[in-house]
Amino acid sequence: QKEVEQDPGPLSVPEGAIVSLNCTYSNSAFQYFMWYRQYSRKGPELLMYTYSSGNKEDGRFTAQVDKSSKYISLFIRDSQPSDSATYLCAMSAKTSGSRLTFGEGTQLTVNP
Amino acid sequence: DAGITQSPRHKVTETGTPVTLRCHQTENHRYMYWYRQDPGHGLRLIHYSYGVKDTDKGEVSDGYSVSRSKTEDFLLTLESATSSQTSVYFCAISDFGGSTTDTQYFGPGTRLTVL
Repeated sequence: QKEVEQDPGPLSVPEGAIVSLNCTYSNSAFQYFMWYRQYSRKGPELLMYTYSSGNKEDGRFTAQVDKSSKYISLFIRDSQPSDSATYLCAMSAKTSGSRLTFGEGTQLTVNP
Repeated sequence: DAGITQSPRHKVTETGTPVTLRCHQTENHRYMYWYRQDPGHGLRLIHYSYGVKDTDKGEVSDGYSVSRSKTEDFLLTLESATSSQTSVYFCAISDFGGSTTDTQYFGPGTRLTVL
């Protein structure tokens, strides 16, 4: 069983929709949670970073962590066609060179 | 791509041939990583380096070796390429310098096909 599970989609939504992307994990040592966005044929780029439980908001993006349920989410409000990409969750147990464990990625398409 | 270049960007090779991929950074970051990305598996760590000449294995290191003789360069070598090593390879870098974040920055990727 994978340490991090993420539904690969694909997910297709109309422009303006609220998008919810999710990951579950099994390793209770994970404390640092990240969301990366990857456009087609490009490298992943960091979108959001959160530590431990709680919410973090950045513009149209909100990252949510529920450590008790081992569940993290990324919400995209007022989705735009430019949000069409693959979204990967990633997590690590500590800082200083710890390895990131990635989810498989969810492919999102926002239709105009 | 945060001052990271990868070369070559595309390569087609035959089974049994050696292949070396290069990652070059201009950020002077201490840590460098090699990942492969495959459908159904996401990003998986092959090897990483925490300093010049200091390297360690990741979760899928069999069939791969790495070297880091300078801070800015991290080489990934497939000693004898196999078709199962057909993949997209990403280099990543990170630096901590007192920061609490574990942010990795990724290069543009190398698409490798082994026939």
